[in-house]
Amino acid sequence: SQTIHQWPATLVQPVGSPLSLECTVEGTSNPNLYWYRQAAGRGLQLLFYSVGIGQISSEVPQNLSASRPQDRQFILSSKKLLLSDSGFYLCAWTWTGATGELFFGEGSRLTVL
Amino acid sequence: QKEVEQNSGPLSVPEGAIASLNCTYSDRVSQSFFWYRQYSGKSPELIMSIYSNGDKEDGRFTAQLNKASQYVSLLIRDSQPSDSATYLCAVNPNSGGYQKVTFGIGTKLQVIP
Repeated sequence: SQTIHQWPATLVQPVGSPLSLECTVEGTSNPNLYWYRQAAGRGLQLLFYSVGIGQISSEVPQNLSASRPQDRQFILSSKKLLLSDSGFYLCAWTWTGATGELFFGEGSRLTVL
Repeated sequence: QKEVEQNSGPLSVPEGAIASLNCTYSDRVSQSFFWYRQYSGKSPELIMSIYSNGDKEDGRFTAQLNKASQYVSLLIRDSQPSDSATYLCAVNPNSGGYQKVTFGIGTKLQVIP
């Protein structure tokens, strides 16, 4: 069966510090991968998606970036965090050709102080 | 801006009652519709998907779709305290390939024992 893991689960970072969140999927090949952010009182916002290694599409302009160095690995990064980057970050996957069902990791809660 | 609208709630229902959750969407070409359940502090979990007009039943859950009215709903029969969560409506405009799923803000459901 397929599983998705992301880490760290919780982190508190000062403004201006770097960020790296990692996500891996097991039990499937060539998944579509996504990073969403859920800010307090707001819906899920799609940040990045990837349909293959090295292929990244950004949905919103921001100081975040994403990379997919391996088929089942997706990384979210920032060089300098802003207060507005605080939120619940969710990695998700689905299989190519699916109709939109998403399977989420456990989430990473980021607080920027 | 393609949107998915939900009442944030909270919606309070007594245990054993029917909970009715509603969602409207703006993109007429939307093909696939989903309901996710999110417990506090956890990641969303897919509970229902629906693709054609009418009703789809799965246990105590029934999803209803009316594409002409751009309206999706979720009924939960015999509501239990364990159903207390935030329910996210999600819409995918694509029939395959990359899935750009858009989420509503979610409706918080409280089932009162």
